[in-house]
Amino acid sequence: SQTIHQWPATLVQPVGSPLSLECTVEGTSNPNLYWYRQAAGRGLQLLFYSVGIGQISSEVPQNLSASRPQDRQFILSSKKLLLSDSGFYLCAWSAGQGFAEAFFGQGTRLTVV
Amino acid sequence: QKEVEQDPGPLSVPEGAIVSLNCTYSNSAFQYFMWYRQYSRKGPELLMYTYSSGNKEDGRFTAQVDKSSKYISLFIRDSQPSDSATYLCAMSSGTSYGKLTFGQGTILTVHP
Repeated sequence: SQTIHQWPATLVQPVGSPLSLECTVEGTSNPNLYWYRQAAGRGLQLLFYSVGIGQISSEVPQNLSASRPQDRQFILSSKKLLLSDSGFYLCAWSAGQGFAEAFFGQGTRLTVV
Repeated sequence: QKEVEQDPGPLSVPEGAIVSLNCTYSNSAFQYFMWYRQYSRKGPELLMYTYSSGNKEDGRFTAQVDKSSKYISLFIRDSQPSDSATYLCAMSSGTSYGKLTFGQGTILTVHP
């Protein structure tokens, strides 16, 4: 069966510090991978998606970037965090075009102080 | 106007009640409809997945899609305190590499 791992679960970082959140998927190959952000009391906003190694699409302009160095690894990064980057970050995967369901990791709660 | 509208609630019901959760949408290209359950500080968990119009039942949960009205519903029968969570509707056109558009989420509390 497929599983998705996301870490860390909680992170407190000072303004201006770098960020690296990692997500890995097991039990499937060539998944579509996604990074979402969820603000308090809000729905999920898609930040990045990837359909293959090195292929990254950004949905909204922001202070963040994403990379996919391996088939089942997705990384969310920032060089310098802003207060507005605080939120709940969720990694997800789906089986590819034609399969609409996405499956989520347990999320990382980021607080920028 | 948001593509997907969902009443955030909160909704509070007694144990055993039938719960009705709803979303409306404006994009007629949406063909895939999902309901996710999210417990506090956890990732969303897929509950129901429906393609196009119609009903789908899974245990105490029933999902309905009315594409002509651009309206989807999730019914929970015999609600339990363990059903207390935020319920998110999500939709996809199926041609956008699995990108989902979410509603805001409805906070549900089922009290004993």
